Amino acid sequence: EDKVVQSPLSLVVHEGDTVTLNCSYEVTNFRSLLWYKQEKKAPTFLFMLTSSGIEKKSGRLSSILDKKELFSILNITATQTGDSAVYLCAVELYNNNDMRFGAGTRLTVKP
Amino acid sequence: ETGVTQSPTHLIKTRGQQVTLRCSSQSGHNTVSWYQQALGQGPQFIFQYYREEENGRGNFPPRFSGLQFPNYSSELNVNALELDDSALYLCASSPSGGVQETQYFGPGTRLLVL
Repeated sequence: EDKVVQSPLSLVVHEGDTVTLNCSYEVTNFRSLLWYKQEKKAPTFLFMLTSSGIEKKSGRLSSILDKKELFSILNITATQTGDSAVYLCAVELYNNNDMRFGAGTRLTVKP
Repeated sequence: ETGVTQSPTHLIKTRGQQVTLRCSSQSGHNTVSWYQQALGQGPQFIFQYYREEENGRGNFPPRFSGLQFPNYSSELNVNALELDDSALYLCASSPSGGVQETQYFGPGTRLLVL
């Protein structure tokens, strides 16, 4: 059965800390891996990764994919209170246009 | 904020009833996907519509059905509601069949089944 597992489930840090969020997956017909930030309701897109070893960066956020070991990490440096959210990892499958989401990591950044 | 809208924002139903949720896609997008997100869980793929045809379906029973209209807006219908159907229902639109990084989510409809 296709599955996506995120860890940790929750994390509390202080402003300025660096965090690493993990996503491992076991799926057939892998197409891409996506990271989303969900603050209240609508998840907002962060990154899409298709190739191993190529880091994607956007400001203080970066992500990388390892297709051999079947995992991805999302790094956030110099965290701010506005980074507090649930971070979702999703794997897009070729078959059926399905997307399998992990349960998310709830990040809380304290002032 | 994306151009994807959903209605209603909240809804309360009782077991056995039927519900219709609506989604207006972003301008220029012809693909709509629907997801169910239970509390504390990630979204689960229900199905996708591309140019008015179902273009993929997740592991949901037939009482979950959908429609896409010529203007690419979409409906999700759920018959014979069960307590476990209580969740946030998200729709997402993208500019072509399949998921791309340009998929935008709507704000969701929170359904409570009593």
